[in-house]
Amino acid sequence: GAGVSQTPSNKVTEKGKYVELRCDPISGHTALYWYRQSLGQGPEFLIYFQGTGAADDSGLPNDRFFAVRPEGSVSTLKIQRTERGDSAVYLCASSAQGNQPQHFGDGTRLSIL
Amino acid sequence: ELKVEQNPLFLSMQEGKNYTIYCNYSTTSDRLYWYRQDPGKSLESLFVLLSNGAVKQEGRLMASLDTKARLSTLHITAAVHDLSATYFCAVAISSPYSGGGADGLTFGKGTHLIIQP
Repeated sequence: GAGVSQTPSNKVTEKGKYVELRCDPISGHTALYWYRQSLGQGPEFLIYFQGTGAADDSGLPNDRFFAVRPEGSVSTLKIQRTERGDSAVYLCASSAQGNQPQHFGDGTRLSIL
Repeated sequence: ELKVEQNPLFLSMQEGKNYTIYCNYSTTSDRLYWYRQDPGKSLESLFVLLSNGAVKQEGRLMASLDTKARLSTLHITAAVHDLSATYFCAVAISSPYSGGGADGLTFGKGTHLIIQP
């Protein structure tokens, strides 16, 4: 079956620009997560959605980062006024309810020049 | 703040040998996960451990959980080259937001494992 799909796979942009990263979760998964992973590190939690609502956004580093999931399926992570330190691989994951493992997409590699 | 520490961070071993990766975490948790990541790829779920004393095995990999010691281990038996990858443990804490359901994970830094033929 189809896994978690993320687009674009790569994004290169200049400092100060706005970017949107898209995640299409596994069909039927109500929980959706965003993480970012820097080289040589483990994924760092950003935000978690249960349905349409952000259940936990405690990992968002500052107010330049925002995410939505308006219909409880596809989610968009939005970054304003990008900085070079935002460069990382942004991973999306989804899971069924309860203790089921999170299934990760291939990520979007974001490079800020 | 939950902290997750893995050791070793780098491990080079020969095929046929056994070894254990350790994962310590700082706060009581009710869920622990192990993931595998190949270079340039995303994360693949290996094991979900939900209770004290839980043991799961798949092929040459076996994971266990000791919630009292806040320790999980990933044991590799008779390693083969195909197991070369980075292995992450990740811990979940039920947040007041989720009502005990799914939550964001805190990952360790990963153990980069190279198995020499």
